Parts: sequence; C-alpha cells; structure tokens
Amino acid sequence: ILNVEQSPQSLHVQEGDSTNFTCSFPSSNFYALHWYRWETAKSPEALFVMTLNGDEKKKGRISATLNTKEGYSYLYIKGSQPEDSATYLCASGSGNTGKLIFGQGTTLQVKP
Amino acid sequence: ETGVTQSPTHLIKTRGQQVTLRCSSQSGHNTVSWYQQALGQGPQFIFQYYREEENGRGNFPPRFSGLQFPNYSSELNVNALELDDSALYLCASSLGGQNINEQFFGPGTRLTVL
Repeated sequence: ILNVEQSPQSLHVQEGDSTNFTCSFPSSNFYALHWYRWETAKSPEALFVMTLNGDEKKKGRISATLNTKEGYSYLYIKGSQPEDSATYLCASGSGNTGKLIFGQGTTLQVKP
Repeated sequence: ETGVTQSPTHLIKTRGQQVTLRCSSQSGHNTVSWYQQALGQGPQFIFQYYREEENGRGNFPPRFSGLQFPNYSSELNVNALELDDSALYLCASSLGGQNINEQFFGPGTRLTVL
C-alpha cells in the first residue's frame, strides 16, 4: 500500500448502533498514525495519535487500535449518537519528518 | 489559550493572480503545516515550517511558497493561480516538527479560482 486508504467511504447507522472504520497505511518506515474528527463548518479535531504496534487508545465511546506490521488501524464508536455524525480522517506519518498523508475520510451519519 | 486562526475565510481570485493566506498558530506552538483539500479528497500536505525553516514539502510546484515569522505565524503564497487551485486550505500548528506531534487545525480558507 503506497497511499492511506479508508473504508467505507460513508456509513449510515441508527442511534445506539456500534460501528467501526478501517484505515490502511504504508507499513514501511512507519512513525505515527493520527485520527481526526471533522464536523461540518468546524476545524478537524484530533482524536488520537498512535505510534506503537498494538497500541489501543480510548476517549469516551471512541477507541482505536493499531497494527503497524500489517499497516492498518481501526476506529470504533460504541453506541453511536447523532453528535458523532462527522467525517473521520486518518493520517499516516512515515519517517521522522513532519509530513502526514491523509486518507479521504469516512463520513458517518447517525440517525436519531 | 488561543486556538489556530486563519484569514481570510473565503477568497475569490481569477486565473493567473497571486494569493496570500495567513495562519496564526496556537499559543506555545512553533510549527505550522499547510494542507490543500480538494473536493472529495483528504487533505494533502503542502509543506511544514518549523522554527521559521521549511521542514518537509509535499508534491506541490514551486509556485506554492511559504513563510514563518518569529511569532510562528505563517503565510502560504500561491502564484499564477490555476483553476485546480480551488480548494479549502487548512493550516495546523503543533509543538515540534515531527509527525508524532498532535496537530491542531484552523477552520480553513476557501479559495475559489475563476
């Protein structure tokens, strides 16, 4: 994998459903994986920065896991709420530089 | 603590013109990264400035240039605008120039080139 790819592109769930998205990234020379939440008309908001293989991070109902050997990360949302509706972006950093490569995002719509 | 701000919010230019976008970093941050987000795509890395020096560049032509000031605010300049330059331009500030550092984004500048 040369680019950062996210799936699915969009997702519609009912309030209370749990959901997850995938981010695939180049595993060679991996340094960091970022997750952001981007609500309409707002700035992207950092959720997690993960660096170690096997990392698991949690913030409220949202959690993420990281597998640097196979080059993927999962983002989980437990009991989705309408306020979780947003685009979720992941970004990978290769090499010890400031460059981040973003995926195209997964847009989540949670229906009340 | 002051967040990341960008100006202007919206901008309309014609092909061939030049544009300057501005970004004020969050208090205490010394690094600014610039991204271009075209419709339907994720943000693409343009370049990063760390302590007033360019610290990495993406696949953008030389007509995209930047500057960082002693107060760590930054400018993105684009010369000879093309229609494809129409996009949302985001800046993000961080403490440190490495990709392990959490980045804090501004609201973006929407540029339309006619």
